Amino acid sequence: DQQVKQNSPSLSVQEGRISILNCDYTNSMFDYFLWYKKYPAEGPTFLISISSIKDKNEDGRFTVFLNKSAKHLSLHIVPSQPGDSAVYFCAASVGGYQKVTFGTGTKLQVIP
Amino acid sequence: DTAVSQTPKYLVTQMGNDKSIKCEQNLGHDTMYWYKQDSKKFLKIMFSYNNKELIINETVPNRFSPKSPDKAHLNLHINSLELGDSAVYFCASSQDGFSGNTIYFGEGSWLTVV
Repeated sequence: DQQVKQNSPSLSVQEGRISILNCDYTNSMFDYFLWYKKYPAEGPTFLISISSIKDKNEDGRFTVFLNKSAKHLSLHIVPSQPGDSAVYFCAASVGGYQKVTFGTGTKLQVIP
Repeated sequence: DTAVSQTPKYLVTQMGNDKSIKCEQNLGHDTMYWYKQDSKKFLKIMFSYNNKELIINETVPNRFSPKSPDKAHLNLHINSLELGDSAVYFCASSQDGFSGNTIYFGEGSWLTVV
């Protein structure tokens, strides 16, 4: 039972354009959402997060949008850069002790 | 200066063997984790320790035994290795284990059981 789903395994975007990575979840108890970025042969690194009391959080080129009614969140990267090429994991957790559930990841390729 | 370090990075071993993966964090965090990423790329939590105390124990075979000698270390020992144990194992840590605290991952340990 995959509670966090990233239905697009890969995405290619031209440098300078917007990258939009999508994530859906099924557990309505999730109240904290995160995006992690992973380069090959490295561990995931934290990128940006949002709590369920917000619908948008922005950090530089990265913006996360949360639509609780649709149980959907998205990560926008603008403008996309070749260094953004990586696998992006969506993750979610329920309040309290952190049992974070990860999606299967979307591989983003930014083409120069 | 690596925040979460795990060794070995690569491990190839035969079925039936017992092996350990060591993990250390120098961030002063109270909570440490082991995650497993399998061939289908699912990244799933296995264990979570807070100040050496087991907090989360997912449905993991009891061949897997975490050991936390102190809050900066969380080692993973695996007995009687099976082919299906082949995966990437990530150690991680966070400030206190509560939602909202960033999880810092190690680089992963690639385990191949042959």
